[in-house]
Amino acid sequence: AQSVTQLDSQVPVFEEAPVELRCNYSSSVSVYLFWYVQYPNQGLQLLLKYLSGSTLVKGINGFEAEFNKSQTSFHLRKPSVHISDTAEYFCAVSGGNTGFQKLVFGTGTRLLVSP
Amino acid sequence: SAVISQKPSRDICQRGTSLTIQCQVDSQVTMMFWYRQQPGQSLTLIATANQGSEATYESGFVIDKFPISRPNLTFSTLTVSNMSPEDSSIYLCSVRRQGNEQYFGPGTRLTVT
Repeated sequence: AQSVTQLDSQVPVFEEAPVELRCNYSSSVSVYLFWYVQYPNQGLQLLLKYLSGSTLVKGINGFEAEFNKSQTSFHLRKPSVHISDTAEYFCAVSGGNTGFQKLVFGTGTRLLVSP
Repeated sequence: SAVISQKPSRDICQRGTSLTIQCQVDSQVTMMFWYRQQPGQSLTLIATANQGSEATYESGFVIDKFPISRPNLTFSTLTVSNMSPEDSSIYLCSVRRQGNEQYFGPGTRLTVT
């Protein structure tokens, strides 16, 4: 079955520092990839998506992610984080043997931005 | 995107009772999904709800425990039946739009005592 691995459960970082949140997926066939953010006590908000085309995807709030097919990765990056970026970030995939209708989520990475 | 609302936003329920969660979308959609997010965990798909047909449940979830209705293209309900403390979670509905994106409602935070 399709799976998503987010190796880092928590990433502490200082304000204005760069950050990378890692995501690896299991499928070797065509997939769609997504990053969602969940602020405390809120639902999920779509940050960005990769469906096809350019492997570098830009999203909202200054985030970007790079699709790397050979490494089956879709890491999320931001060059300079703000306190307000403190949240839970989920990587998700659709496609592969679970089909494109269903989303499979990783376990999430908590980004903690401190002054 | 999509505007999705859920009711109630949170509830505290007694063991053995049932709670029905409503999900309303601002426009017609074919596919709606229900997810569970247990405390400190990721999201797990419960079922897919299509209008005019029975919901399709994922492994580990059954209709008797989580009955779903989908009476029209903008509305769905999820019932959590015969609740136990293990059902304490956030329940989220989502919809799939063009571009294969899923948009999520704000969630219903359920606590079972």
